[in-house]
Order: sequence, then structure tokens, then C-alpha cells
Amino acid sequence: DAGVIQSPRHEVTEMGQEVTLRCKPISGHNSLFWYRQTMMRGLELLIYFNNNVPIDDSGMPEDRFSAKMPNASFSTLKIQPSEPRDSAVYFCASGLTGGASGVYGYTFGSGTRLTVV
Amino acid sequence: KQEVTQIPAALSVPEGENLVLNCSFTDSAIYNLQWFRQDPGKGLTSLLLIQSSQREQTSGRLNASLDKSSGRSTLYIAASQPGDSATYLCAVWGNTPLVFGKGTRLSVIA
Repeated sequence: DAGVIQSPRHEVTEMGQEVTLRCKPISGHNSLFWYRQTMMRGLELLIYFNNNVPIDDSGMPEDRFSAKMPNASFSTLKIQPSEPRDSAVYFCASGLTGGASGVYGYTFGSGTRLTVV
Repeated sequence: KQEVTQIPAALSVPEGENLVLNCSFTDSAIYNLQWFRQDPGKGLTSLLLIQSSQREQTSGRLNASLDKSSGRSTLYIAASQPGDSATYLCAVWGNTPLVFGKGTRLSVIA
């Protein structure tokens, strides 16, 4: 298995532009997570999908951020319009949920380093 | 709201030493706890996953323990090597999926 695949690895964009980050989870995993990592705040959960349905999006900073999971093998995180404070590393992770036991392990992608100038 | 704290924030040890990294969490109602390793500029690599019903997990030179009632976990690294240098992150899954601590940055000096 190739693991969780994220694209692009690096993205530099100008303030006000739309940015789309992509994620392909591990086949068979039914949960997908988007995280943001900064030096100041560490790793923050943005949104969590289970069986392609958004379960918890309380971490999404504001309406400029949106995420979709049209099928079990693909998800996008879109920022429109982008701002310099959105600069961070964005990670996608996938896992297999097991009812009350939570998730049986998680696998992270290599991340997308976003710089908004 | 679950909060995860890791102590120390940074640690530097000579090669060969045994060391302990600490993780504490405020809400003991968790399903599992996971330790990750992150190398500079890289993603997260899972090291050990402890289910809430377990007390410890071992993998090679790594041993992680979990005391759910006191809200604590430790990661023990035996005979440290320069290749162990990285940031180690603790994360818990409870009412909120995977809440992370800010990590311990470990440097093992040859």
C-alpha cells in the first residue's frame, strides 16, 4: 500500500487566491482527518469524515475553509480566499473506526506545506 | 475539552542512555492513546497504539505505558541512538478524535 497520499507537497500562493489541497486515503479505511500544524498551535484537527460524511468540522477556522469527500478514495480541503495566517503544514490522515473502541490506528500523509504571501 | 501536555518540551541526551517521555491528558474517558514520531519537515510515523483496556505496548526498544485513571502515559526509549532524534508526539482519542500534545523534541548526541 502506498499509504496516505497528499498533493501538492508544497504550495506557494498569493493572498486572496484559492488553494485546494488533495488527499487519497488508504484503501479500506473509513475515517479521514484533516489537520493543520503550526509552531505556535501544534497539530489542530480541522475536520473529520466517517464513511465519507463530515462528522465534526468544529475545528474549521472560518467560512473560508471547506472540505469535501465525494467518495471513499478522495478528499479535498479548499481555502478561498487564502490569507498569510493560513500558512502552515496541512496533514491528511486516515484510519479504520471500530465502534466504541475508536480508531484502530491512524496513518498520516506527508503533508502539504502552504505558504501564502 | 481534552488537553494533552507533554513534558519536557525538549530533551538532549548522550547516546546509549535510557530515557522517558511524559504525556498527560485531562479527560480520562479515552478510547486509545498513540505515540508518533515526526522528523523535521516530515509527516508523522506511528510508533505505538495503546487501547484503553491495555496498560502497555512494546516495539523493539520502545515501551509505552498507559494509566488511564491518572491521565498519564510514558514512552520509554532504551539505549538511545542518534537516529532516535526527532519530535515525539502523544495523541488521545476520546470524545474528540486525536487530540495532540505539542511534542517533545529529542536530541541524542553521539
